[in-house]
Amino acid sequence: GAVVSQHPSWVICKSGTSVKIECRSLDFQATTMFWYRQFPKQSLMLMATSNEGSKATYEQGVEKDKFLINHASLTLSTLTVTSAHPEDSSFYICSAGDGEQFFGPGTRLTVL
Amino acid sequence: DQQVKQNSPSLSVQEGRISILNCDYTNSMFDYFLWYKKYPAEGPTFLISISSIKDKNEDGRFTVFLNKSAKHLSLHIVPSQPGDSAVYFCAASGSSGGSNYKLTFGKGTLLTVNP
Repeated sequence: GAVVSQHPSWVICKSGTSVKIECRSLDFQATTMFWYRQFPKQSLMLMATSNEGSKATYEQGVEKDKFLINHASLTLSTLTVTSAHPEDSSFYICSAGDGEQFFGPGTRLTVL
Repeated sequence: DQQVKQNSPSLSVQEGRISILNCDYTNSMFDYFLWYKKYPAEGPTFLISISSIKDKNEDGRFTVFLNKSAKHLSLHIVPSQPGDSAVYFCAASGSSGGSNYKLTFGKGTLLTVNP
């Protein structure tokens, strides 16, 4: 079956630093990848749609300069949280697929 | 404005009985609905889906019912097993089979199946 990986699975960083999260489709290619964020006891909130070879499309209320998305190839999308603050602490999940979506295992970000 | 609502944050059932998880939506443009199962600190895994042209879809122990007029869908699990204990998310899309497969999720329902 289709497998999506994320790296790292968890990260702790200091406030003001930047953190990069990778999302890879291991056995298939995807023109489209999605980035979600989930706060405790909340739904998965779509942050942005990552399109290979073009700019990401951000959902309303998501700062594109803070959450940088790069979809450099058909198997890799990266999300960089720039100048992270404690309120950015969350569970970040990616999905990949040009039709059905396959989800990664998520990355737990904790900003101190 | 929550377009997909799961009003029950938790549900507890006895092993062997039926679990019924409910979901309501407000956006009439949604035409494809999915259920995902999620364990803590893991990504969601796909369970079952239904297109708006159908009112029922069955896959083994899982059946999804769609009532378009009521904008309501439900997931039935029968018989329930302890391994089914997880958070279940309802999700909806307005572009079934399309290239922009954006999903809108509900808040999830924690199902606990007691042995």
